[in-house]
Amino acid sequence: EAQVTQNPRYLITVTGKKLTVTCSQNMNHEYMSWYRQDPGLGLRQIYYSMNVEVTDKGDVPEGYKVSRKEKRNFPLILESPSPNQTSLYFCASSLYNTLNQPQHFGDGTRLSIL
Amino acid sequence: AQKVTQAQTEISVVEKEDVTLDCVYETRDTTYYLFWYKQPPSGELVFLIRRNSFDEQNEISGRYSWNFQKSTSSFNFTITASQVVDSAVYFCALSEARESNAGNMLTFGGGTRLMVKP
Repeated sequence: EAQVTQNPRYLITVTGKKLTVTCSQNMNHEYMSWYRQDPGLGLRQIYYSMNVEVTDKGDVPEGYKVSRKEKRNFPLILESPSPNQTSLYFCASSLYNTLNQPQHFGDGTRLSIL
Repeated sequence: AQKVTQAQTEISVVEKEDVTLDCVYETRDTTYYLFWYKQPPSGELVFLIRRNSFDEQNEISGRYSWNFQKSTSSFNFTITASQVVDSAVYFCALSEARESNAGNMLTFGGGTRLMVKP
């Protein structure tokens, strides 16, 4: 089944404790992206990757890192999480970064930073 | 100014009522795409429809219909005879080229929470 898989689905942790949210897609998509969803703000892009080893900042990259060593994986790293990073996170992918391609989203990861 | 505005934060209707979710967008481009996504209470994002900037024909899919008007930069979504299963958050999104010319970007509106009561 074609899908984008995120782990974990839920995480409660404390300020400053490094964490990684994994994202994997099995559709051989070149384009991958991370978003965070906050009430009233919709989804905002954190980072994106056009292909392996190519990553760039989205609208809200502060406090996050990503890597794209393989086509299928695009982990999101919070080196020193803070409470303002409490949010619902989505990983997404599409075959290419063209205007018309709908992105396939993972099921979301709810992070709570205490 | 927001690029994609969904002015209705929450809408509550009774089952079988028709309801329209508004979406207004802003772009400098002549070529772009508009999308609607549904987020049910379970949290996943479900793609509903895509429309390109050169196609202003309205689209109907079952109880769902979309009205795209370039003159008012709007892409509104109507649910006819709403059902409880339509309860969800609905997002409108705009796909356009980045100003930096480094690819394209998808910008979401703030979402509209629709509650359909039995």
